[in-house]
Amino acid sequence: GEDVEQSLFLSVREGDSSVINCTYTDSSSTYLYWYKQEPGAGLQLLTYIFSNMDMKQDQRLTVLLNKKDKHLSLRIADTQTGDSAIYFCAEKDNQGGKLIFGQGTELSVKP
Amino acid sequence: EADIYQTPRYLVIGTGKKITLECSQTMGHDKMYWYQQDPGMELHLIHYSYGVNSTEKGDLSSESTVSRIRTEHFPLTLESARPSHTSQYLCASSTLTDDTEAFFGQGTRLTVV
Repeated sequence: GEDVEQSLFLSVREGDSSVINCTYTDSSSTYLYWYKQEPGAGLQLLTYIFSNMDMKQDQRLTVLLNKKDKHLSLRIADTQTGDSAIYFCAEKDNQGGKLIFGQGTELSVKP
Repeated sequence: EADIYQTPRYLVIGTGKKITLECSQTMGHDKMYWYQQDPGMELHLIHYSYGVNSTEKGDLSSESTVSRIRTEHFPLTLESARPSHTSQYLCASSTLTDDTEAFFGQGTRLTVV
């Protein structure tokens, strides 16, 4: 079945760039997503990328997609303390349209 | 701003009690989902629905049940709570025709003692 893998923790200093990585297994996924979860809150969609794209940029966020390696990354430029959260990578299951989530990467931003 | 609400936000309950977690959305979305989030953060799909009177089991087996009598509501019920049910439960919804974005509620943190 589909599987999405992420590293669990990332720690960066304020002002640095953060890169969160994700690998997935379903090559037929049409959409791949990045969600953010702040403490005690639900998930908030940050950005998504269509599978025929290699890159998508939205302000401080850059998503890179390598379809050959089934690798997705999220780069946050000029990381701020407010970016501290858990970031989930997800792919859309084309059979039922369900979202398959990774384990989440906890980003810690130190001042 | 997403209009999807879950109640209660926090619940501590004794073993053997029956509980219902509520989820409501005012966006007219046909698709609704329940995810269970482990203490280690991973989300697992436990139930989903494509519309009224449609309910399906997700990828993770769960002793909970759901119903979809109205488009807006997708309650989740545990007939007899156990400590192993302690978790965070997240409800989400999306449209049938364009679910590029699923909107999530704030979650219900359930503790069974």
